[in-house]
Order: sequence, then structure tokens, then C-alpha cells
Amino acid sequence: GDSVTQMEGPVTLSEEAFLTINCTYTATGYPSLFWYVQYPGEGLQLLLKATKADDKGSNKGFEATYRKETTSFHLEKGSVQVSDSAVYFCALSDALSGAGSYQLTFGKGTKLSVIP
Amino acid sequence: GAGVSQSPSNKVTEKGKDVELRCDPISGHTALYWYRQSLGQGLEFLIYFQGNSAPDKSGLPSDRFSAERTGGSVSTLTIQRTQQEDSAVYLCASSWDGKDYEQYFGPGTRLTVT
Repeated sequence: GDSVTQMEGPVTLSEEAFLTINCTYTATGYPSLFWYVQYPGEGLQLLLKATKADDKGSNKGFEATYRKETTSFHLEKGSVQVSDSAVYFCALSDALSGAGSYQLTFGKGTKLSVIP
Repeated sequence: GAGVSQSPSNKVTEKGKDVELRCDPISGHTALYWYRQSLGQGLEFLIYFQGNSAPDKSGLPSDRFSAERTGGSVSTLTIQRTQQEDSAVYLCASSWDGKDYEQYFGPGTRLTVT
């Protein structure tokens, strides 16, 4: 079945540091890939997505490139801020894996803490 | 506009009791998903509704779990004879349809089975 593996946290960085959170996947078909973020006390929200190979998703200074050859979708940000402290989830949606639905398969999540 | 709402926000129940969790999706969204978030298992898909089609129940962990969606809008997830391992945060999400449109998540219901 489909699966998503992301680096385990927690990750602690100083403000303005470079962030990389690794994510790799296995899927039956040609999935769409997502990064979701969960800020403290809030619900899950979409951060960015890519729907085909070599697409780059970007939002709020974060970006990730869909790499089919390495089955990866690593999240990067050049300069993190304290407000980026949250839990980040890599996910995929693959219609071929189920009964035609587009449910998300999530990684375990990576908790990021940014200190001033 | 209003987002996905869920009720109750917290539910504490005794082992063996039945519970109902409610989800109000965003108006106009035809696709509705239930997920469960627990420390041991992470985020897991439970069930999916799309319009008038038969639901995809492939993620339900046992026959104690069921869900319905009335009138293509509100959904109720029912857990019968709750067990301690059912303790988790139950998340509902909706989207415009079942394709790759963004899934909007509700705040979740934290269920604690004592």
C-alpha cells in the first residue's frame, strides 16, 4: 500500500536558519503530494502541494519539489521564523490506491521549534 | 466564510459506551473525509463520502465504527462499545469534490475513553 516516510523530530533551529524536512513516499499510481502544517492549538491546514513530477509547490517562503526519480518531496525554507514553529506533515493522495477516493496518506509528522 | 466545524470539541466516555461525533462541512463541498490522529498511529484515513456515491469505508478499523452523511451535508461518525484504544482526535475534512482540491480540516474532536 501507499506510505509516506518523513524525518522524525523534533527539530530545533535558531531563527533565520535553513530548514529541510525530508519526505519520501511509495505509491501505486501517480500521486499528488502535499505538505500540511498544524500550528499549536490549531487545525491542519494545507501549506503547499504539487500534482505531477518536477512541479514545485511554494507558500509562505516554504517550497518543495516533486521528484519522481527519488520519490521525494522535501520541504525547505531559507530562513525560518519563530512563527514557523509547528508540526509539519507530508502527505500523498493517490486515487489508484483505494476505491477511487482521494484520501490523504500522511507521514508521522515532524515537530519544528524555532528559537529566537 | 465558515470553515469545517466539529462537535463536541472534547468527549470523555466510559469504556463500552457508544459515542457520536458530528461534522459540518463547508457549504457546497461534496467530498467529506474522516481521519483519526493518535500518538501511536499518526493520522489515519477512516471513511470518505462523495456526493451520492457509496462511501469508501476501507479505513474503518472495526465494525464498531460507522458513519453516515445526511442530505449530502452533515456527517456523523459513530463508535459503538468504545475501547481505550479508540482514544484519539477525530478529524473531519471537506473539499469541493473528490479530486485534488484542497481538503479543509475541522478543529477535531478529542475522544478520551476511560
